[in-house]
Amino acid sequence: AQTVTQSQPEMSVQEAETVTLSCTYDTSENNYYLFWYKQPPSRQMILVIRQEAYKQQNATENRFSVNFQKAAKSFSLKISDSQLGDTAMYFCACISNFGNEKLTFGTGTRLTIIP
Amino acid sequence: AAGVIQSPRHLIKEKRETATLKCYPIPRHDTVYWYQQGPGQDPQFLISFYEKMQSDKGSIPDRFSAQQFSDYHSELNMSSLELGDSALYFCASSLRTGGNGYTFGSGTRLTVV
Repeated sequence: AQTVTQSQPEMSVQEAETVTLSCTYDTSENNYYLFWYKQPPSRQMILVIRQEAYKQQNATENRFSVNFQKAAKSFSLKISDSQLGDTAMYFCACISNFGNEKLTFGTGTRLTIIP
Repeated sequence: AAGVIQSPRHLIKEKRETATLKCYPIPRHDTVYWYQQGPGQDPQFLISFYEKMQSDKGSIPDRFSAQQFSDYHSELNMSSLELGDSALYFCASSLRTGGNGYTFGSGTRLTVV
Protein backbone atom coordinates (compact mmCIF):
# COMPACT_ATOMS: atom_id res chain seq x y z
CA ALA A 1 0.00 0.00 0.00
CA GLN A 2 1.12 3.54 -0.57
CA THR A 3 0.09 7.07 0.42
CA VAL A 4 0.53 10.27 -1.56
CA THR A 5 0.45 13.77 -0.08
CA GLN A 6 0.07 17.06 -1.89
CA SER A 7 0.29 19.96 0.53
CA GLN A 8 -0.60 22.76 -1.88
CA PRO A 9 -4.37 22.84 -2.52
CA GLU A 10 -4.09 25.82 -4.86
CA MET A 11 -1.39 27.72 -6.73
CA SER A 12 -1.35 30.48 -9.27
CA VAL A 13 1.40 31.85 -11.47
CA GLN A 14 1.76 34.38 -14.26
CA GLU A 15 1.87 33.09 -17.81
CA ALA A 16 5.40 32.24 -18.99
CA GLU A 17 6.70 31.83 -15.45
CA THR A 18 7.93 28.63 -13.86
CA VAL A 19 5.98 26.83 -11.15
CA THR A 20 6.76 23.83 -8.98
CA LEU A 21 4.13 21.54 -7.50
CA SER A 22 5.09 19.48 -4.47
CA CYS A 23 4.36 15.84 -3.72
CA THR A 24 5.56 13.42 -1.09
CA TYR A 25 4.75 9.76 -0.93
CA ASP A 26 5.24 6.70 1.20
CA THR A 27 5.47 3.10 0.10
CA SER A 28 6.92 -0.09 1.49
CA GLU A 29 7.79 -1.38 -1.97
CA ASN A 30 11.24 -1.17 -3.52
CA ASN A 31 9.94 -1.03 -7.06
CA TYR A 32 7.33 1.58 -7.81
CA TYR A 33 6.34 4.23 -10.30
CA LEU A 34 5.33 7.82 -9.78
CA PHE A 35 3.11 9.90 -12.02
CA TRP A 36 1.68 13.32 -12.46
CA TYR A 37 -1.76 13.54 -13.98
CA LYS A 38 -3.45 16.68 -15.22
CA GLN A 39 -7.20 17.18 -15.04
CA PRO A 40 -8.33 20.28 -16.94
CA PRO A 41 -11.86 21.68 -16.67
CA SER A 42 -12.96 19.06 -19.19
CA ARG A 43 -12.31 16.55 -16.35
CA GLN A 44 -10.27 14.26 -18.61
CA MET A 45 -7.37 12.64 -16.72
CA ILE A 46 -4.20 13.12 -18.74
CA LEU A 47 -0.84 11.57 -17.95
CA VAL A 48 1.78 14.31 -17.83
CA ILE A 49 4.93 12.49 -16.80
CA ARG A 50 6.11 9.26 -15.19
CA GLN A 51 9.16 8.29 -13.15
CA GLU A 52 10.51 4.83 -12.44
CA ALA A 53 11.83 4.61 -8.90
CA TYR A 54 14.93 2.65 -9.84
CA LYS A 55 16.03 5.35 -12.27
CA GLN A 56 18.00 8.19 -10.74
CA GLN A 57 17.65 10.45 -13.74
CA ASN A 58 14.74 12.85 -13.45
CA ALA A 59 12.08 12.44 -16.12
CA THR A 60 11.46 15.28 -18.57
CA GLU A 61 8.66 15.83 -21.08
CA ASN A 62 9.03 19.09 -22.97
CA ARG A 63 8.16 21.88 -20.50
CA PHE A 64 7.45 19.42 -17.70
CA SER A 65 10.16 17.93 -15.51
CA VAL A 66 10.32 16.29 -12.13
CA ASN A 67 12.66 16.46 -9.17
CA PHE A 68 12.71 12.95 -7.78
CA GLN A 69 14.35 12.63 -4.39
CA LYS A 70 14.04 8.95 -3.50
CA ALA A 71 15.53 9.13 -0.03
CA ALA A 72 13.23 11.98 0.91
CA LYS A 73 10.30 10.36 -0.90
CA SER A 74 9.65 13.56 -2.75
CA PHE A 75 8.43 13.94 -6.32
CA SER A 76 7.84 17.53 -7.41
CA LEU A 77 6.68 18.70 -10.83
CA LYS A 78 8.18 21.73 -12.49
CA ILE A 79 6.33 23.46 -15.29
CA SER A 80 8.48 25.85 -17.29
CA ASP A 81 7.20 28.66 -19.51
CA SER A 82 3.70 28.09 -18.19
CA GLN A 83 0.83 28.47 -20.63
CA LEU A 84 -2.85 29.23 -20.15
CA GLY A 85 -3.63 25.65 -21.18
CA ASP A 86 -1.74 24.42 -18.16
CA THR A 87 -4.58 25.60 -15.94
CA ALA A 88 -5.88 22.41 -14.37
CA MET A 89 -5.98 20.19 -11.34
CA TYR A 90 -2.74 18.25 -10.97
CA PHE A 91 -2.64 14.91 -9.20
CA CYS A 92 0.46 13.13 -8.04
CA ALA A 93 0.07 9.34 -8.03
CA CYS A 94 1.99 6.21 -7.15
CA ILE A 95 1.80 2.56 -8.11
CA SER A 96 3.99 -0.35 -7.08
CA ASN A 97 5.34 -2.72 -9.68
CA PHE A 98 3.86 -5.69 -7.96
CA GLY A 99 0.97 -7.02 -9.96
CA ASN A 100 -2.22 -5.10 -10.33
CA GLU A 101 -1.75 -2.59 -7.60
CA LYS A 102 -4.16 0.28 -7.76
CA LEU A 103 -3.00 3.77 -8.58
CA THR A 104 -3.08 5.90 -5.44
CA PHE A 105 -3.68 9.61 -5.89
CA GLY A 106 -2.86 12.64 -3.82
CA THR A 107 -5.55 15.19 -3.11
CA GLY A 108 -4.48 17.40 -5.98
CA THR A 109 -3.23 20.92 -6.56
CA ARG A 110 -5.39 23.36 -8.46
CA LEU A 111 -3.07 25.39 -10.69
CA THR A 112 -4.23 28.60 -12.32
CA ILE A 113 -2.16 30.34 -14.97
CA ILE A 114 -2.83 34.06 -14.98
CA PRO A 115 -2.70 35.90 -18.33
CA ALA B 1 -4.36 5.66 -31.18
CA ALA B 2 -7.33 3.94 -29.61
CA GLY B 3 -8.30 5.23 -26.18
CA VAL B 4 -10.44 4.00 -23.35
CA ILE B 5 -14.08 4.43 -24.28
CA GLN B 6 -16.72 5.03 -21.66
CA SER B 7 -20.43 5.27 -22.14
CA PRO B 8 -22.59 7.09 -21.53
CA ARG B 9 -20.85 10.43 -21.05
CA HIS B 10 -23.65 11.78 -18.94
CA LEU B 11 -26.39 10.02 -17.02
CA ILE B 12 -29.22 11.34 -14.90
CA LYS B 13 -31.07 8.94 -12.64
CA GLU B 14 -33.54 9.24 -9.84
CA LYS B 15 -32.99 7.97 -6.34
CA ARG B 16 -33.41 4.22 -5.97
CA GLU B 17 -32.98 3.64 -9.69
CA THR B 18 -30.29 1.49 -11.30
CA ALA B 19 -27.47 2.61 -13.57
CA THR B 20 -25.03 0.69 -15.76
CA LEU B 21 -21.76 2.25 -16.89
CA LYS B 22 -19.70 0.70 -19.64
CA CYS B 23 -15.98 0.76 -20.34
CA TYR B 24 -14.03 -0.46 -23.37
CA PRO B 25 -10.29 -0.64 -22.59
CA ILE B 26 -7.42 -0.06 -24.95
CA PRO B 27 -6.87 -3.17 -27.10
CA ARG B 28 -4.38 -5.60 -25.53
CA HIS B 29 -4.65 -3.97 -22.11
CA ASP B 30 -5.40 -6.75 -19.65
CA THR B 31 -6.44 -4.75 -16.59
CA VAL B 32 -9.41 -2.45 -16.02
CA TYR B 33 -9.95 -0.12 -13.08
CA TRP B 34 -12.95 1.85 -11.91
CA TYR B 35 -12.62 5.08 -9.96
CA GLN B 36 -15.17 7.44 -8.44
CA GLN B 37 -14.42 11.15 -8.22
CA GLY B 38 -16.75 13.32 -6.18
CA PRO B 39 -16.86 17.10 -6.62
CA GLY B 40 -13.55 18.64 -5.61
CA GLN B 41 -12.08 15.30 -4.59
CA ASP B 42 -9.35 13.02 -5.83
CA PRO B 43 -10.33 9.81 -7.59
CA GLN B 44 -11.17 6.97 -5.25
CA PHE B 45 -10.49 3.41 -6.31
CA LEU B 46 -13.55 1.17 -6.56
CA ILE B 47 -12.57 -2.11 -8.18
CA SER B 48 -10.24 -3.66 -10.74
CA PHE B 49 -10.17 -6.66 -13.04
CA TYR B 50 -7.30 -8.60 -14.53
CA GLU B 51 -8.02 -11.05 -17.30
CA LYS B 52 -11.73 -10.96 -16.50
CA MET B 53 -11.23 -11.80 -12.84
CA GLN B 54 -11.65 -9.33 -10.00
CA SER B 55 -8.16 -8.45 -8.82
CA ASP B 56 -8.65 -5.77 -6.18
CA LYS B 57 -11.48 -4.08 -4.38
CA GLY B 58 -11.58 -0.65 -2.82
CA SER B 59 -14.29 1.45 -1.28
CA ILE B 60 -17.07 0.10 -3.45
CA PRO B 61 -20.53 0.00 -1.84
CA ASP B 62 -22.36 -3.30 -1.70
CA ARG B 63 -25.00 -1.73 -3.95
CA PHE B 64 -22.42 -1.64 -6.73
CA SER B 65 -21.14 -4.57 -8.71
CA ALA B 66 -18.89 -4.89 -11.70
CA GLN B 67 -17.59 -7.45 -14.11
CA GLN B 68 -15.29 -7.81 -17.05
CA PHE B 69 -16.50 -9.71 -20.07
CA SER B 70 -14.80 -12.04 -22.55
CA ASP B 71 -14.10 -9.13 -24.91
CA TYR B 72 -12.46 -7.29 -21.97
CA HIS B 73 -15.05 -4.58 -21.74
CA SER B 74 -16.28 -3.90 -18.23
CA GLU B 75 -19.55 -2.76 -16.74
CA LEU B 76 -20.23 -1.08 -13.41
CA ASN B 77 -23.73 -1.72 -12.14
CA MET B 78 -25.12 0.58 -9.51
CA SER B 79 -28.40 -0.14 -7.79
CA SER B 80 -30.58 1.70 -5.25
CA LEU B 81 -28.92 4.93 -6.26
CA GLU B 82 -28.45 7.61 -3.63
CA LEU B 83 -27.85 11.33 -3.99
CA GLY B 84 -24.31 10.78 -2.74
CA ASP B 85 -23.54 8.56 -5.71
CA SER B 86 -23.50 11.64 -7.93
CA ALA B 87 -19.94 11.78 -9.19
CA LEU B 88 -17.63 11.34 -12.13
CA TYR B 89 -16.87 7.68 -12.74
CA PHE B 90 -13.65 6.90 -14.50
CA CYS B 91 -12.59 3.72 -16.12
CA ALA B 92 -8.91 3.18 -16.83
CA SER B 93 -6.94 0.40 -18.43
CA SER B 94 -3.34 -0.73 -18.35
CA LEU B 95 -1.04 -3.64 -18.82
CA ARG B 96 -0.61 -5.76 -15.71
CA THR B 97 2.60 -4.18 -14.45
CA GLY B 98 1.08 -0.73 -14.47
CA GLY B 99 4.46 0.86 -14.95
CA ASN B 100 3.31 2.89 -17.92
CA GLY B 101 0.49 4.34 -15.91
CA TYR B 102 -3.15 4.04 -16.61
CA THR B 103 -4.98 5.44 -19.59
CA PHE B 104 -8.21 6.97 -18.44
CA GLY B 105 -11.46 7.25 -20.28
CA SER B 106 -13.32 10.53 -20.41
CA GLY B 107 -15.54 9.48 -17.55
CA THR B 108 -19.25 9.16 -17.01
CA ARG B 109 -20.87 11.96 -15.07
CA LEU B 110 -23.67 10.47 -13.02
CA THR B 111 -26.23 12.78 -11.47
CA VAL B 112 -28.74 11.32 -9.06
CA VAL B 113 -31.79 13.49 -8.46
